[in-house]
Amino acid sequence: ELKVEQNPLFLSMQEGKNYTIYCNYSTTSDRLYWYRQDPGKSLESLFVLLSNGAVKQEGRLMASLDTKARLSTLHITAAVHDLSATYFCAVDKGNKLVFGAGTILRVKS
Amino acid sequence: DVKVTQSSRYLVKRTGEKVFLECVQDMDHENMFWYRQDPGLGLRLIYFSYDVKMKEKGDIPEGYSVSREKKERFSLILESASTNQTSMYLCASGGHRVGETQYFGPGTRLLVL
Repeated sequence: ELKVEQNPLFLSMQEGKNYTIYCNYSTTSDRLYWYRQDPGKSLESLFVLLSNGAVKQEGRLMASLDTKARLSTLHITAAVHDLSATYFCAVDKGNKLVFGAGTILRVKS
Repeated sequence: DVKVTQSSRYLVKRTGEKVFLECVQDMDHENMFWYRQDPGLGLRLIYFSYDVKMKEKGDIPEGYSVSREKKERFSLILESASTNQTSMYLCASGGHRVGETQYFGPGTRLLVL
């Protein structure tokens, strides 16, 4: 059974700081997705990572995938308040997604 | 613009009632999904459908059923609502292409009293 673990589950950080969210998964997969959810809103797709070594960047967020280590990271650079949200990773399991529990990110000014 | 809509944002129902949640997508996607979201548990897949009239159980199908009579519409049914089905329900759709992301609706927050 595929299990997806994110850590940390809660992250409080100061504006301007860097940090990384980790997503580990238990069985082989080449496809991993990152989503963002603002409070009271639905999920919005951030990144789709489709192969080992894939790296995607959008603004202050950068995601990478290491399929050998079964690990994806979401790196936040110089955090700003607008990045406060819950971030989910999800691993592809044959056209279905298995989600991590989510990381609640709060950026303090 | 991509759009997935859900019939209600908030619902309050009584234990034992039959509850219908509807989801409509306008992207001509083959795949549609129903998840429930609970704090600390992420999203868990209830059912999904890869074509009209086709359905497959997800990870937590007990107490739920689904219907997909038209490609754009996917309904989730709680035959007899129970308090442990109080949750946020999210519908999503996606295409068949490898690596295509899923697009989510706004969610329905269901409270069962």
